[in-house]
Amino acid sequence: KQEVTQIPAALSVPEGENLVLNCSFTDSAIYNLQWFRQDPGKGLTSLLLIQSSQREQTSGRLNASLDKSSGRSTLYIAASQPGDSATYLCAVKDSNYQLIWGAGTKLIIKP
Amino acid sequence: NAGVTQTPKFQVLKTGQSMTLQCAQDMNHEYMSWYRQDPGMGLRLIHYSVGAGITDQGEVPNGYNVSRSTTEDFPLRLLSAAPSQTSVYFCASSPGQISSGNTIYFGEGSWLTVV
Repeated sequence: KQEVTQIPAALSVPEGENLVLNCSFTDSAIYNLQWFRQDPGKGLTSLLLIQSSQREQTSGRLNASLDKSSGRSTLYIAASQPGDSATYLCAVKDSNYQLIWGAGTKLIIKP
Repeated sequence: NAGVTQTPKFQVLKTGQSMTLQCAQDMNHEYMSWYRQDPGMGLRLIHYSVGAGITDQGEVPNGYNVSRSTTEDFPLRLLSAAPSQTSVYFCASSPGQISSGNTIYFGEGSWLTVV
């Protein structure tokens, strides 16, 4: 059974720092992996989607990588800003075409 | 510019009561789904639908019913609420099945407390 883990559960960094969020999964047979952002009291917003054949995707200050063989993905945020404070979740599309979610990393960017 | 709309945003129920969480999308999406989010856990799929008239169970369907009579609406019914159903519920939609990599859109969530 596919399991997705995000460590740490919470992270606090000063504004301006570059940072990396981690996502690991137990079964490498995935179709894609997505990163989402969740703001308090709000729904989730899709940030980046990486197909299984891809190694990385970039959008602005965000870069997501995927290493299927090791069961890992990272979300790199460059030059962090207070507005980046949110919970970041990753989800993998498993062999049954369903999204399996991590519990998220709560990110706080200190001004 | 509505996207996915969920109502109500907050609800308190007594054990044994029934209720319906409403979900509507205005993007003509075929795929709709309901998730629950509990502290320290990832989202878990309750039910999903790949089109009007077609629904299927997800990971945690017990205690919930759904129907999809129109493309736009996908209500979630709690038949007899239990404290274990206290959670945040999210409705989501996408143009096609998530397997194709289509972007998924979420509602803002419904906070349900069962006492």
